[in-house]
Parts: sequence; structure tokens; C-alpha cells
Amino acid sequence: DAGITQSPRHKVTETGTPVTLRCHQTENHRYMYWYRQDPGHGLRLIHYSYGVKDTDKGEVSDGYSVSRSKTEDFLLTLESATSSQTSVYFCAISESKGGPYLVDYTFGSGTRLTVV
Amino acid sequence: AQSVTQLDSQVPVFEEAPVELRCNYSSSVSVYLFWYVQYPNQGLQLLLKYLSGSTLVKGINGFEAEFNKSQTSFHLRKPSVHISDTAEYFCAVSDKTAGNKLTFGGGTRVLVKP
Repeated sequence: DAGITQSPRHKVTETGTPVTLRCHQTENHRYMYWYRQDPGHGLRLIHYSYGVKDTDKGEVSDGYSVSRSKTEDFLLTLESATSSQTSVYFCAISESKGGPYLVDYTFGSGTRLTVV
Repeated sequence: AQSVTQLDSQVPVFEEAPVELRCNYSSSVSVYLFWYVQYPNQGLQLLLKYLSGSTLVKGINGFEAEFNKSQTSFHLRKPSVHISDTAEYFCAVSDKTAGNKLTFGGGTRVLVKP
């Protein structure tokens, strides 16, 4: 399985402060994703990346930005954290097995962010 | 755009009884379908997936799911649950387009009672 780590695992921050979450993969997978998980909503896509410096918005991208300067790292930034961004954030990567459309996904362990 | 609906937010079930978790999706194109499980305070683990071929898919821990294209459904079943199956279960679809994005349902929380 591909290796994927998220940091930090837990963070408490104050409203209005910037926060950056990091996702690191040890494989060379092209696609990386940031999701947030909230009760009743499942996981919702924030942003995703399809290569170095290539990113696009997901369904809940307002208030978030991302950067991918290296294949292995995908950063999620909350420019000015709000209480509505209290959530569990998951990073994921996808790889193709045997063809361009046969994908598998691997999820990180999550980052629990609390904005007070 | 695609969407996923999990029809039950919570399912209580007695140990050794069968369980079915319902999932319906909408998409204008063909999709890949997935079921994930999340145990308390953990990440997501793949239970099974449908890519093509046989519509009955078997996964880990005795789970299986059936893809029904005409009803756009992918219901998950287990004939006999254990206490250890207490978890949240997520249905997800990928529409095979650029980005391979996964869209998730809202989740079904399964509580297995002794």
C-alpha cells in the first residue's frame, strides 16, 4: 500500500489565525485530495491536485487554498480560520492499477482541527 | 455532477442478525462504486468496490454488495453481524473523469447490539 501521512494529527487554533495542514506521500501518485468530514455530510471534497502545481476546487473550497510544489506534498491552508471549519480533515491519494481508469484510493489517518 | 444518497443515517441491529445498508447514486456517466468503513476515531478502510463485470461484489469481513444499474443502487449486505461491525459505513462513487474524484454519501452508522 502507498504510504500517506498527515500532520498534525490534532490542532486547536483561534478564530482568524492561519492554519496549514500537510499531507505527505511516499509514492509517486499523481492525484491527491483534501476532504473534510462532518456528521451527516460524509466526506466532502475541498480541493484536489492532479500534478505539481496543478490543482482544482472541490465542492466546499471557500475559505481554503492548497499548494503542491512537490509530488509528495499537498498542503491545505485556512487563510483565516473560522469556527465553521472545525472538522476532521482527510487527505487521500489515488493510483491506477493496470490502466488509467482502474483506481484505488488510500486515505490518511486524519487531522482533527478545532477552531475556538 | 454526481451525488450519493445513503438512505439510513443509523441502523441498529442485533448480533448475528443480517444487515443491509442502502446506497443510491446519480450520475450521467458510468461510475465506479465503493464502500468504506470507519471505526471509531480511525481513518477509512475499503470494504469492497465495483469497477466492472459481475454485479455481485464480495469484500472483506463477510460483506458483499450488489450493483444495480437500472436502479442506480449499490446496497451493502452482511448475513450475520458481529459486535465488531459497529462502525460508520460510507458509499462513494467515482465517475472516471479527470481527477478521479470520489463523491461520498452522508454515511450510515451501524450499532450492533448484543
